[in-house]
Amino acid sequence: DSGVTQTPKHLITATGQRVTLRCSPRSGDLSVYWYQQSLDQGLQFLIQYYNGEERAKGNILERFSAQQFPDLHSELNLSSLELGDSALYFCASSEGVAGGGLQFFGPGTRLTVL
Amino acid sequence: GNSVTQMEGPVTLSEEAFLTINCTYTATGYPSLFWYVQYPGEGLQLLLKATKADDKGSNKGFEATYRKETTSFHLEKGSVQVSDSAVYFCALKIQGGSEKLVFGKGTKLTVNP
Repeated sequence: DSGVTQTPKHLITATGQRVTLRCSPRSGDLSVYWYQQSLDQGLQFLIQYYNGEERAKGNILERFSAQQFPDLHSELNLSSLELGDSALYFCASSEGVAGGGLQFFGPGTRLTVL
Repeated sequence: GNSVTQMEGPVTLSEEAFLTINCTYTATGYPSLFWYVQYPGEGLQLLLKATKADDKGSNKGFEATYRKETTSFHLEKGSVQVSDSAVYFCALKIQGGSEKLVFGKGTKLTVNP
């Protein structure tokens, strides 16, 4: 158990809908990262937050957004869903923004868009 | 840019066989290198890491050596077990840069008894 929790474990929804994925980092970790794992693209970095502020952005679509709350949990919002958004979404956390902090991954949320 | 290339899988071995999974990288800065493992139905777990040239990371019988001259970080294990069946990901992170991990495509390993 990495100490990173993600809910829900599975999510099935229809095209055009909007969903919210939730992540709670390990106790004491200030950075949260979101990654998408799909069959065609592999594991791709989406976005990083550090202590409530956006720190880095990767291949995140404009339809997707994220935020980190004062209690350090994070949410990834996916809207206007398309079939191609079906994937496993991982959250990871680490101690800080710099200094080589190891990233610990949650179990993931499997999103299926029908 | 930064990228990681892993050998294509799947890899199927018999128990106690020797394992090598090749990983090479390109990086615009000085990378830290990682191997993560994903067991069926689970998230990624850090297997081992190395932060500078000639460092050897090791864990649970797995080893990988950071080779700057060949830009490689091959994963090896002398005697695999059925319980090693999983998907293995090589990854890098640029030191002093963004904290994001850049992953290879993953290599699925199946070990048969």
